[in-house]
Amino acid sequence: DAKTTQPNSMESNEEEPVHLPCNHSTISGTDYIHWYRQLPSQGPEYVIHGLTSNVNNRMASLAIAEDRKSSTLILHRATLRDAAVYYCIRDNYGQNFVFGPGTRLSVLP
Amino acid sequence: NAGVTQTPKFQVLKTGQSMTLQCAQDMNHNSMYWYRQDPGMGLRLIYYSASEGTTDKGEVPNGYNVSRLNKREFSLRLESAAPSQTSVYFCASSEEPRSSYNSPLHFGNGTRLTVT
Repeated sequence: DAKTTQPNSMESNEEEPVHLPCNHSTISGTDYIHWYRQLPSQGPEYVIHGLTSNVNNRMASLAIAEDRKSSTLILHRATLRDAAVYYCIRDNYGQNFVFGPGTRLSVLP
Repeated sequence: NAGVTQTPKFQVLKTGQSMTLQCAQDMNHNSMYWYRQDPGMGLRLIYYSASEGTTDKGEVPNGYNVSRLNKREFSLRLESAAPSQTSVYFCASSEEPRSSYNSPLHFGNGTRLTVT
């Protein structure tokens, strides 16, 4: 079962950091964690992925717990353009990359 | 950079009509995918093509057929549309087959299909 668990929705104020949690308690040792986001009326876009250690890129940071059963996507300064649905996906190298309902992030001005 | 291009953007069909959704990518990716997204839900895989010349069923293939025309193009055909196929359809591509690599997926902006 490649399922992950995320809150349905979260709110943040503009220019504040946002921490989006994801639970993947049944993850196996070789599964990567991917994050995608979907802006309104667009297709999903890749945000970041990682295996064990924390990862940073221009869009976000990914913090993976030491036991790998959970992870957190960190947006350092939320902007109105970051309002989207964020998907946490456990990558078990299957062709069926499973997108659940995700977390809808609202950013308040 | 066009990325993944889908046509048409919108389509309305009557029950029983047929149509083909087109998808093309210009990133020289080997693998391509078709997903559908119903309101308030995540995406579900319909079909995929790990490489040129191959296609395989995903999670929800019934009522659809696909053709990997060449490395760039992957089309999705509805032979006899049904109201249950009303959805947003997304095409995606990845550099390598997802069974071998954790290649990120690149998505188009979708085709919004309504079947009445």
